[in-house]
Amino acid sequence: EAQVTQNPRYLITVTGKKLTVTCSQNMNHEYMSWYRQDPGLGLRQIYYSMNVEVTDKGDVPEGYKVSRKEKRNFPLILESPSPNQTSLYFCASSFSGTGTYEQFFGPGTRLTVL
Amino acid sequence: GESVGLHLPTLSVQEGDNSIINCAYSNSASDYFIWYKQESGKGPQFIIDIRSNMDKRQGQRVTVLLNKTVKHLSLQIAATQPGDSAVYFCASGESGAGSYQLTFGKGTKLSVIP
Repeated sequence: EAQVTQNPRYLITVTGKKLTVTCSQNMNHEYMSWYRQDPGLGLRQIYYSMNVEVTDKGDVPEGYKVSRKEKRNFPLILESPSPNQTSLYFCASSFSGTGTYEQFFGPGTRLTVL
Repeated sequence: GESVGLHLPTLSVQEGDNSIINCAYSNSASDYFIWYKQESGKGPQFIIDIRSNMDKRQGQRVTVLLNKTVKHLSLQIAATQPGDSAVYFCASGESGAGSYQLTFGKGTKLSVIP
């Protein structure tokens, strides 16, 4: 089944404790992206990647890191989480060729930073 | 910067009636548009997309209308069902920008009254 998976789905942590949220897709998509979703603010892009070893900042990159060592994986790293990073996070992927721009979303990771 | 907004944050519709969800965008260079559905606790799901060279596109029970003159698009859902209850997002992108970025609206919550 074609899908985007994220782990963990739920995470409660404390300020300053490094964490990684994994994202993996099995559709051979070039493009991958991380979003956070907050009430009243909609989906905001954190980082994106056009292909392996190519990453770029989105609208709200502060406090986050990403890497793209393999095509299928795009982990989101919070080196020193803070309470304002409490949010619902989505990973998404799509083809970067012509014809479609549909982004496929993962199920989300709900992060709480105490 | 680019903004994609919605005219109504909430919409209540009687089961069996048609629903219309509206969206305005500000970037005149946007040339593709997508509607997503997000059910509670899930990631956004693709519904339908439309390119700027089209005014109308139909899917199963859904129709998207695009008015480039006033930078407005709408999603029409025919014979609305309880399973249509969700938050609906519009998103826009600019294929000529060299990336596959989408800008998302904040969402309209559709509630279907049985």
